Amino acid sequence: SQTIHQWPATLVQPVGSPLSLECTVEGTSNPNLYWYRQAAGRGLQLLFYSVGIGQISSEVPQNLSASRPQDRQFILSSKKLLLSDSGFYLCAWRRRDEAFFGQGTRLTVV
Amino acid sequence: DQQVKQNSPSLSVQEGRISILNCDYTNSMFDYFLWYKKYPAEGPTFLISISSIKDKNEDGRFTVFLNKSAKHLSLHIVPSQPGDSAVYFCAASERFQGAQKLVFGQGTRLTINP
Repeated sequence: SQTIHQWPATLVQPVGSPLSLECTVEGTSNPNLYWYRQAAGRGLQLLFYSVGIGQISSEVPQNLSASRPQDRQFILSSKKLLLSDSGFYLCAWRRRDEAFFGQGTRLTVV
Repeated sequence: DQQVKQNSPSLSVQEGRISILNCDYTNSMFDYFLWYKKYPAEGPTFLISISSIKDKNEDGRFTVFLNKSAKHLSLHIVPSQPGDSAVYFCAASERFQGAQKLVFGQGTRLTINP
């Protein structure tokens, strides 16, 4: 069966510090992978999506970047966090007519 | 530019009655629509989907209706149960640059009152 792992579950980081969130998928190959952010009082904003290794599409210009070093690994990064980067980050993968989400990372930038 | 919109941030329904959640979209290239349910601090879970070639899909208590001419879809839950209380997101899918781009609405918080 397919599973998706996302870590860490919670993270508190100071402004200006770097960020690395990791997401891995098991039980499938060549998945479409996604990073979303849910900010307080807002919906799920698509940040990045990837169709394959090294292929990243960015939806919104911002302080974040994404990489896909392996087929089933998707990483969300930042060199210097801003207060506005706080939110709930979700990784997802797509199969046909469904998308499956990880449990999310609650990031608080202080 | 919000391509998928859920204009009702919250909805309160009596247990046993019908819950109707609405969603509007602007991009005519969307070819698949999905509904998700989300509890706090968890990832969304898939509920039901519908292809753009259909106008209705039913799964147990959940039915999704699609009106392509109005660019509108709705989720009906009947009968509503207390466990249905959660945030519901609609999502739309478009094939873009070889990938299925998946865009979500802002969500509607559904509260089922006993």
